Amino acid sequence: EAGVAQSPRYKIIEKRQSVAFWCNPISGHATLYWYQQILGQGPKLLIQFQNNGVVDDSQLPKDRFSAERLKGVDSTLKIQPAKLEDSAVYLCATRTGTFVSSYNEQFFGPGTRLTVL
Amino acid sequence: RKEVEQDPGPFNVPEGATVAFNCTYSNSASQSFFWYRQDCRKEPKLLMSVYSSGNEDGRFTAQLNRASQYISLLIRDSKLSDSATYLCVVWGYQKVTFGTGTKLQVIP
Repeated sequence: EAGVAQSPRYKIIEKRQSVAFWCNPISGHATLYWYQQILGQGPKLLIQFQNNGVVDDSQLPKDRFSAERLKGVDSTLKIQPAKLEDSAVYLCATRTGTFVSSYNEQFFGPGTRLTVL
Repeated sequence: RKEVEQDPGPFNVPEGATVAFNCTYSNSASQSFFWYRQDCRKEPKLLMSVYSSGNEDGRFTAQLNRASQYISLLIRDSKLSDSATYLCVVWGYQKVTFGTGTKLQVIP
């Protein structure tokens, strides 16, 4: 079974530039998460999708971050404009099941390592 | 108080030692609990779920104490390959929260 795919794997940009990350989930996984993991910290949830609907985006800095999951499959996360403190690994994770059922395992992609100079 | 708290470590232990990590959570309505393992510069991967009655998987034992709101992970007979960061994960209604992780370094 193919895993969660993410691209690009690495990105270096200057502050105030824009950047976009892409995630392709495991086939059939209805729930998709974007996390931000700053060095030395645990993953912080940015946004959670159930199919193509947003379940939770309470920790997404909406003035600069946006995400979408058209057709309930692939997802993109965008930062515009980027700040120095956005330097982190952006992880996409997916799982089967719905938000009303018991939690089950999340499968993570390899992440995109973003450096903002 | 943070929703999920872990001692960041590092825990430096010799091969063969037994080591235990704790993780506390603030929301008494939390429903499910997990331990994930994250190797350096890699993505997190599920290590084991934590059940109310406690559960064991080889050298790993996980426990849940709902009254005191913490979960624990015990690793027996530590191997060099156990060196990693161990993330505590707490699931509530529609919300999942990761701890900051505890770093384990097993020394030859």
